[in-house]
Amino acid sequence: AQSVTQLGSHVSVSEGALVLLRCNYSSSVPPYLFWYVQYPNQGLQLLLKYTTGATLVKGINGFEAEFKKSETSFHLTKPSAHMSDAAEYFCAVGSNDYKLSFGAGTTVTVRA
Amino acid sequence: KAGVTQTPRYLIKTRGQQVTLSCSPISGHRSVSWYQQTPGQGLQFLFEYFSETQRNKGNFPGRFSGRQFSNSRSEMNVSTLELGDSALYLCASSSAGTSRETQYFGPGTRLLVL
Repeated sequence: AQSVTQLGSHVSVSEGALVLLRCNYSSSVPPYLFWYVQYPNQGLQLLLKYTTGATLVKGINGFEAEFKKSETSFHLTKPSAHMSDAAEYFCAVGSNDYKLSFGAGTTVTVRA
Repeated sequence: KAGVTQTPRYLIKTRGQQVTLSCSPISGHRSVSWYQQTPGQGLQFLFEYFSETQRNKGNFPGRFSGRQFSNSRSEMNVSTLELGDSALYLCASSSAGTSRETQYFGPGTRLLVL
């Protein structure tokens, strides 16, 4: 069975500072990993995904994530936070039984 | 292409009632999944449909059911509503529902049970 653990339910950063959101996965098969963002009163929007190939994945809005098999991690980063990055972020792993398993989510607040 | 649409967006019901939520996937997508989102339990998988067949179901009581129509539109039904069913219900669609595909989410239906 696949599962995801997101470390830290809340992260607060200053505008312009590095954003780092941590995600560790457990999977018995090669994982397909996703990061989604959810703004208030909206659905989930895909930021980026890892399926195969390059381990450094670039996504929308300046986000990127690195797949590290040895550490079973898929941490999300953005070099410089913007006020518009305030949202909830979810890491997810795709399984062979047609579903996504999500982490608990990390809420990001950005201080001016 | 139009995105995933869900109706209604907001719904208020009382305990014991039933409710039906609707989801229209992106054109050409044949897989539709449903998730329940609550502050306490997070995002939980309800079920997935492909070509009118349920391929997987999450750990929810039988009061939660769904179906998919030949045009890929999907509905989910919750009978005998309980207070704990208050949640945001999200629908997602993808081409074939495989694990490597991106699932595209709708805006959700927010259900409040009083």
